[in-house]
Amino acid sequence: DGGITQSPKYLFRKEGQNVTLSCEQNLNHDAMYWYRQDPGQGLRLIYYSQIVNDFQKGDIAEGYSVSREKKESFPLTVTSAQKNPTAFYLCASSPVDSPLHFGNGTRLTVT
Amino acid sequence: AQSVTQPDIHITVSEGASLELRCNYSYGATPYLFWYVQSPGQGLQLLLKYFSGDTLVQGIKGFEAEFKRSQSSFNLRKPSVHWSDAAEYFCAVGADNQGGKLIFGQGTELSVKP
Repeated sequence: DGGITQSPKYLFRKEGQNVTLSCEQNLNHDAMYWYRQDPGQGLRLIYYSQIVNDFQKGDIAEGYSVSREKKESFPLTVTSAQKNPTAFYLCASSPVDSPLHFGNGTRLTVT
Repeated sequence: AQSVTQPDIHITVSEGASLELRCNYSYGATPYLFWYVQSPGQGLQLLLKYFSGDTLVQGIKGFEAEFKRSQSSFNLRKPSVHWSDAAEYFCAVGADNQGGKLIFGQGTELSVKP
């Protein structure tokens, strides 16, 4: 089955540690996105990539980094510079001129 | 400023009753509008989208939405709600058909009473 796989589903880290969230898609979509979801705030765009080896900042990129070395993969690193990293992170992808397909998310808790 | 407002944080309806979820947007360009649904702890699933043409759009699971440009609204409706419709619903607006760089509303949580 084609889809978007985010792993792990739950992730726990200590404050001050960097952590990388995985996102893999086998839909052959060109574009991939990372959104952050907080209760009562909807989704906010962190980073997006429309082609391999290229990506752009979204609305809340500070404290995050990404890479896009392969079409299928778009990992997100939450760095120690992110002041409030605890959140639900959603990866999405889309072909050109089509709506988003979402993964099932990773819930990150930093203590 | 570009924004999407869903005025109702939480709505409870009885099973079999009709449903309307409100969405208002502020957007400088021609909007592309979406409704997504999210079950707890899951990703979002597209219910329907509006790009142009007929202002009443049909989606999956028996949902429909009506685009009203004069009111900057894109309300979601369903004639008869099922218990399985309980979820969180998000309205979103984007600049183009690609739909990736979306602005989302805060979401409306729907509860269904038996």
